[in-house]
This record gives sequence, structure tokens and C-alpha cells, in this order.
Amino acid sequence: GAGVSQSPSNKVTEKGKDVELRCDPISGHTALYWYRQSLGQGLEFLIYFQGNSAPDKSGLPSDRFSAERTGGSVSTLTIQRTQQEDSAVYLCASSLEVAGGQETQYFGPGTRLLVL
Amino acid sequence: KQEVTQIPAALSVPEGENLVLNCSFTDSAIYNLQWFRQDPGKGLTSLLLIQSSQREQTSGRLNASLDKSSGRSTLYIAASQPGDSATYLCAVPHTGRRALTFGSGTRLQVQP
Repeated sequence: GAGVSQSPSNKVTEKGKDVELRCDPISGHTALYWYRQSLGQGLEFLIYFQGNSAPDKSGLPSDRFSAERTGGSVSTLTIQRTQQEDSAVYLCASSLEVAGGQETQYFGPGTRLLVL
Repeated sequence: KQEVTQIPAALSVPEGENLVLNCSFTDSAIYNLQWFRQDPGKGLTSLLLIQSSQREQTSGRLNASLDKSSGRSTLYIAASQPGDSATYLCAVPHTGRRALTFGSGTRLQVQP
């Protein structure tokens, strides 16, 4: 079946603009994660959705970042008033959560964001 | 706070060599550890997941071991090939949560 898909694959924006990044998880996966990969910071967790539970937002770097997941499927990560330090690859992953936390996370190809 | 360290940061070997990549983590209260591969400009591909109750997991030429008490994992690649050239990342779930904490990766180059 189809894997995790993300759009757009590349995004160039001007400082101060808002951007929206989209993630389509694997069908039936109940958990969805956003991560960010930047040159200086490596790969870091941003936010996690699981079913109808409140999302774990503990990794969001500032209140300019927000995310939602509609209908338990597609997710959108929004960055408001973008800054140059927001330039990074934004990766989405999904998993089918099972008891004991033994699930594999499957990653999308990422969205490369460049803020000029 | 969980911290994950990978050694070496980069490795270059001739084709056919067996090699070992190392990963260490500070909090041993994990329920699994994953090894990923990342090709330049691409997303992550899951290679192996070792459950906390397991000591090793094998897939083809790859073998991953886990010593939870000492906070260490190794990824063994047998008979390396140029197609194995990539960055290898290990990751463990955040303490008490399922989101992953990643190491900084080992960049592997296999020379033909």
C-alpha cells in the first residue's frame, strides 16, 4: 500500500510569511508524528497525535508553530511569521500503535522549507 | 532527559568489509530501539526495531543488538556494499512517550 506522503516537497518563503505543510499518513495508522531535521540540531520531535487524545505538543519550539489532525487522518503543520531559523526539513511519520510500544514508525520523504 | 549518541560520526570503508556502528542512550527505561537509514535528500527508512525484551534482531546482512542495562546498541553490517552508503540513525522513544529521540547519525561511505 501507499506510504506516508507529504506536500509540498519543497517550499521557499519569505521571512514573516505563514506556511502550511501537509502529511497524509498510512491508512489505518492511529499515531502521527512531526519531526524537524536541521543542520545544527539533528532530528528533533515536534508534536504527536494519537487517536482522539490531546496531542503531545511538548516539542514545538515556539507558539508560532501549531498542528492539527482532521478526522484522525491528514495533518497540517502551520508555521506563522516564519523566521530564517525555521529553515529545515520537516518530516512526518505514522505508526499503528500496539500494546507495549513495539510499533515501527514509518516516515514520509519530508518537506524542505527555506525561509529567505 | 533522554540523550542518544552515535559513534563514529563518519566512516569510510572498502567494499566487502564488515563494520559496526555504535549507539548509546542515557535512560535505559525504553521499550524499543529503532535503526533507520537515510539517503541524501530523502526521508528515513526503518531497518530494524529491537524490543526491550530482545537482545538482537537480524535482517539480511544487518544485525542489531541491544544491551538495555548498559544503554548500548550496535548495528553490524556484513559484507558491506556501495549501496549501503547512507546515514544510519538510531532512535529510542522519549521516556514515557512514543515520540523518538534520535542520535546524530553515522555517515557511512562504502568505497567500490
